[in-house]
Amino acid sequence: EIVLTQSPATLSLSPGERATLSCRASQSVSFYVAWYQQKPGQAPRLLIYDAVSRAAGIPDRFSGRGSGTDFTLTISSLEAEDFAIYYCQQRSNSITFGQGTRLEIK
Amino acid sequence: EVQLVESGGGLVQPGSSLRLSCAASGFTFDGFAMHWVRQVPGKGLEWVSGMNWNSDNIGYADSVKGRFTISRDNDRNTLYLQMNSLRAEDTALYYCTKGYCSSLTCYALDVWGQGTTVTVSS
Repeated sequence: EIVLTQSPATLSLSPGERATLSCRASQSVSFYVAWYQQKPGQAPRLLIYDAVSRAAGIPDRFSGRGSGTDFTLTISSLEAEDFAIYYCQQRSNSITFGQGTRLEIK
Repeated sequence: EVQLVESGGGLVQPGSSLRLSCAASGFTFDGFAMHWVRQVPGKGLEWVSGMNWNSDNIGYADSVKGRFTISRDNDRNTLYLQMNSLRAEDTALYYCTKGYCSSLTCYALDVWGQGTTVTVSS
């Protein structure tokens, strides 16, 4: 099973700052990585798929990059509604999720 | 409006069975892969199972293989998850989700229901 390790576990930032979230795979997953946002009491929301493609309706302050084993999700300028938990996901070998990064207000 | 509505969750004893249903609306159900993902409250996401548009390609997580069966009725726009030999560790919120295309390899899940809770306890 491919293990996805997200870092940091918690990221404390202020609105307007830039957020960079990391996801590292235990072996290459090519570009088959997606990112999701989950807020308390809500289902996850797809943000990015195939490492770099924004899902429909996702603001362009969200961007993804990476291939192979190292991936990042960047939020260029944080807005109040962006504070949530973020998960990465791969499908190269079955489907697995990372353990999540909590983005909290500093 | 694109919508997924799960039902069938509940409190059951270890070793028993339960069938979850997911009613889809607002999109062409037989054009897309469908998946189940679960989440223990306060914990992360775990993919459970998925299938392509016509049921000829199905996958399961190792943790449920041999115990859970995914199926779909494209005429009724409904996805199912038959869960047998339930264990305490199956306790979770179960989400029905839609893949972004018809193949099982469409791993990106672009529509989610609100989930149905399964509790396995004696």
